[in-house]
Amino acid sequence: NAGVTQTPKFRILKIGQSMTLQCTQDMNHNYMYWYRQDPGMGLKLIYYSVGAGITDKGEVPNGYNVSRSTTEDFPLRLELAAPSQTSVYFCASSYAGQGIPNYGYTFGSGTRLTVV
Amino acid sequence: KNEVEQSPQNLTAQEGEFITINCSYSVGISALHWLQQHPGGGIVSLFMLSSGKKKHGRLIATINIQEKHSSLHITASHPRDSAVYICAVRWKTSYDKVIFGPGTSLSVIP
Repeated sequence: NAGVTQTPKFRILKIGQSMTLQCTQDMNHNYMYWYRQDPGMGLKLIYYSVGAGITDKGEVPNGYNVSRSTTEDFPLRLELAAPSQTSVYFCASSYAGQGIPNYGYTFGSGTRLTVV
Repeated sequence: KNEVEQSPQNLTAQEGEFITINCSYSVGISALHWLQQHPGGGIVSLFMLSSGKKKHGRLIATINIQEKHSSLHITASHPRDSAVYICAVRWKTSYDKVIFGPGTSLSVIP
């Protein structure tokens, strides 16, 4: 049981390049999230999804896009990378539903991205 | 003012000490999470609370909804407890909105 798998673990991008951060979970969780963590700051929500085919913006969505074609996969796309997107990115998943509390998150191991 | 604040920001303790990390928040919430981020970066969910108290091993989490305050206690601390501890609150007004605190960095010295 792998939990939440994120790839790559590290990446250096040049300004203006694009890339996709992959996230896969095998727990049949309906909710998936992308966060970024900047030094000394709390995790900030970029995008989230409550199920396949449904995505919505979080607090800091600009410069990113997501898709959720399956329950398992929730890739994050960076178009035209900028230095401000240098951060550590975490994917997470959880299970929640009508009247069911959202239990604890399962996080991926993170992707350290540097844009130069 | 940040919506979720934690204190202290940094904490160094001797092995065996009793440790308390505090979290205060300014919004109405439906639940509060405590997370642990290991030195290698991985994040683990420790507790989810909506009232009262929960215990798991040497970790105890409490919440006072009226005072908008939660504490995470570690009894008989050990160097392997060294990590960043993060408080996160789920907004009552938006089921999916979670706000994370900045974290408390704990170092336990042998």
